[in-house]
Amino acid sequence: GENVEQHPSTLSVQEGDSAVIKCTYSDSASNYFPWYKQELGKGPQLIIDIRSNVGEKKDQRIAVTLNKTAKHFSLHITETQPEDSAVYFCAATLPGQAGTALIFGKGTTLSVSS
Amino acid sequence: GAVVSQHPSRVICKSGTSVKIECRSLDFQATTMFWYRQFPKQSLMLMATSNEGSKATYEQGVEKDKFLINHASLTLSTLTVTSAHPEDSSFYICSAFHRGGASTDTQYFGPGTRLTVL
Repeated sequence: GENVEQHPSTLSVQEGDSAVIKCTYSDSASNYFPWYKQELGKGPQLIIDIRSNVGEKKDQRIAVTLNKTAKHFSLHITETQPEDSAVYFCAATLPGQAGTALIFGKGTTLSVSS
Repeated sequence: GAVVSQHPSRVICKSGTSVKIECRSLDFQATTMFWYRQFPKQSLMLMATSNEGSKATYEQGVEKDKFLINHASLTLSTLTVTSAHPEDSSFYICSAFHRGGASTDTQYFGPGTRLTVL
């Protein structure tokens, strides 16, 4: 089955710096890669996603890149702000008509200090 | 984005009792919903896949008789933890599969339910 590895487990940056979180996946058939932000005591919130037919996607300060050959994808946050502090999870899923379950990485705790 | 709700947000129960958690897709229909469990400072672990009108599919190691799942309508799935014990205390999160087309299919998560078994 699919396995998702996520690094680093913790990341501390100064406000205004960039943050990069990297994930690798094992199943080359996976075709959808979302990123979720989870604040303490809350459910995961989708922040950006990318599909296997695209190499990069941007949404304001957030971008995701995908390298299908190497089977890895990364989250880039620029101009970080204290409110970006949270746990970030990457995930991967296999194609399926009815929707298949997400396989999550172990998470990255991002701390942005002002 | 699409909205998924969970109820209750927090529940405390005595050991041996049963607890029902509801997951609703508020503004879309979801033929498939998923139930996850999350321990403190850990990732989300898939428990089961809930399909409307059919039996749930459980992941290896998850007891189907202990974690009863019912997906009776296109907007509601329920998870019942039967004969709860302290080791069942956890954060339970559901997600709903939103079908928007090949380029927009995605999953939206509920806010989670914190279960504490005394």
